[in-house]
Amino acid sequence: KQEVTQIPAALSVPEGENLVLNCSFTDSAIYNLQWFRQDPGKGLTSLLLIQSSQREQTSGRLNASLDKSSGRSTLYIAASQPGDSATYLCAVWMDSSYKLIFGSGTRLLVRP
Amino acid sequence: DGGITQSPKYLFRKEGQNVTLSCEQNLNHDAMYWYRQDPGQGLRLIYYSQIVNDFQKGDIAEGYSVSREKKESFPLTVTSAQKNPTAFYLCASSMGQRYSNQPQHFGDGTRLSIL
Repeated sequence: KQEVTQIPAALSVPEGENLVLNCSFTDSAIYNLQWFRQDPGKGLTSLLLIQSSQREQTSGRLNASLDKSSGRSTLYIAASQPGDSATYLCAVWMDSSYKLIFGSGTRLLVRP
Repeated sequence: DGGITQSPKYLFRKEGQNVTLSCEQNLNHDAMYWYRQDPGQGLRLIYYSQIVNDFQKGDIAEGYSVSREKKESFPLTVTSAQKNPTAFYLCASSMGQRYSNQPQHFGDGTRLSIL
């Protein structure tokens, strides 16, 4: 059974720092891995999607990497800003199913 | 603008009552999903539908029911059999499993509480 784990559960950093969020998964038979952002009381916004054949994806100050064989992904946020404060969730889409399996998220606070 | 609309934003349920959460999308997506999110946790799949008039149970379907009579709509009913319904409910859609390079899109959720 696939399990997705995100560490740390919460993170507080000063503005301007570069930071890394971690996501690990137990079953490497995935179609893709997705990173989402969730603001309080809101739905999820897709940030980056990495296909199983890819190693990384970039969008602006965000870079996500995928090491499928070791079951790990990282989300790198450069030059963090207070507006980056949110919960970040990773999810994997399995080869053999029609669903995303989510981690429990990392709650990020960027202090001015 | 294309997107997913969930209503109502807040909903209260009395003991023994069924309540229905609405989800409408104008993205022309084939697939739609319902998730439940409890505080500090990730999302768990309740039901999903890959095409009109077809839907499948997810991981926590007990106490819930759905219908998919139209492509744009995927309402979720929380029945009285669901003993712990207090949660944040999220609806999502996607182009479908054939398009694995496309992300899911989410609505803004409905927060359900017990009176």
